[in-house]
Amino acid sequence: QLQLQESGPGLVKPSETLSLTCTVSGGSISSSSYYWGWIRQPPGKGLEWIGSIYYSGSTYYNPSLKSRVTISVDTSKNQFSLKLSSVTAADTAVYYCARRIISYVNDAFDIWGQGTMVTVSS
Amino acid sequence: QSVLTQPPSASGTPGQRVTISCSGSSSNIGSNYVYWYQQLPGTAPKLLIYRNNQRPSGVPDRFSGSKSGTSASLAISGLRSEDEADYYCAAWDDSLSGFWVFGGGTKLTVL
Repeated sequence: QLQLQESGPGLVKPSETLSLTCTVSGGSISSSSYYWGWIRQPPGKGLEWIGSIYYSGSTYYNPSLKSRVTISVDTSKNQFSLKLSSVTAADTAVYYCARRIISYVNDAFDIWGQGTMVTVSS
Repeated sequence: QSVLTQPPSASGTPGQRVTISCSGSSSNIGSNYVYWYQQLPGTAPKLLIYRNNQRPSGVPDRFSGSKSGTSASLAISGLRSEDEADYYCAAWDDSLSGFWVFGGGTKLTVL
């Protein structure tokens, strides 16, 4: 059973860079059938897609965050990572990593990590 | 402000049928599939409906999705107490360089 697990600091200072890693277990991140993505949820609010990456390194980002976001993949460690620069309090959220299927019949975010809370505060 | 519009709340009694709406535009729902996610309190979202009306294995047939024009709906029949959760719609948006958009979520209360 494939599982995703987010990890990283729970507290980041304003103007600094938020860094998170998602470790994939029970399956290979190098499969051609999936994209891997980051989605966040501010406290009490809805979901916001941040961006996604293919195992080859191909990425696409939310235009509203694109100037501050970098997503990378390390296939040797079966991990992908998120960096969000110049953070403010508005970036405080639960950050989820998720798998997105690429197939003829389905292309949903079907497996999600449990999420990790990141607070931006001095 | 979410790109897709959902009512903030919905409610029903056990056994009832409830529907949750999701309104978008021609660049998202109007031209792409709709997905629905269920988020139980304190947990990660779970895929409920994909490609407008398809259920992943394990999702009860009490849950159904539909789409018409730039709007979509999630229907839950035979409402149960364990259905009390937040529900989110999602779609791909073709504007700009393309990106995934979500609704603001609907909190379903089982009375």
